[in-house]
Amino acid sequence: AQRVTQPEKLLSVFKGAPVELKCNYSYSGSPELFWYVQYSRQRLQLLLRHISRESIKGFTADLNKGETSFHLKKPFAQEEDSAMYYCALSRKDTDKLIFGTGTRLQVFP
Amino acid sequence: NAGVTQTPKFQVLKTGQSMTLQCAQDMNHNSMYWYRQDPGMGLRLIYYSASEGTTDKGEVPNGYNVSRLNKREFSLRLESAAPSQTSVYFCASSDDRGTQYFGPGTRLTVL
Repeated sequence: AQRVTQPEKLLSVFKGAPVELKCNYSYSGSPELFWYVQYSRQRLQLLLRHISRESIKGFTADLNKGETSFHLKKPFAQEEDSAMYYCALSRKDTDKLIFGTGTRLQVFP
Repeated sequence: NAGVTQTPKFQVLKTGQSMTLQCAQDMNHNSMYWYRQDPGMGLRLIYYSASEGTTDKGEVPNGYNVSRLNKREFSLRLESAAPSQTSVYFCASSDDRGTQYFGPGTRLTVL
């Protein structure tokens, strides 16, 4: 069965500290992995996807097939990074997403 | 472009009442989705529609029905609301790359 696990419900850091939001998945094929973000009073939006291999707002995520992980990292957190972050997975033959339970990131000044 | 719009923003129902949540997108996307978001459970797919005229069940379809009225609109109906359906409901559509675009959500309370 396909599943996405985000083990941390809440992650609190101080501004300037490194951040790593964990995401592990289970899927027998080759998945597509995404990170979506929901800022306060805004709608859910795509942050990045593993295929693009890009850095958005200083965040990066590397797909590790051996560890079945897709952790989201940022070397220096900013207060405006405070939000709810969701890891999601889709099969290559469908656009349906399976979401993790989300991690709330709080960045204190 | 308005993107994905949803109505209403808030709704309170009594157990057994029915209602329809409306969703529309102006991005010419083929695929549309309905999710519910509950604390500690993330987003779970209720129904989706890969194209006009087709709908399929997602992870949690019980108690819901959907209609893909045309390419733009995808509605979600609760025939007999139950307290377990208290949730925040999100509609989304996806582009050809699989990126999903979300509406602002409908906060539903069933008493």
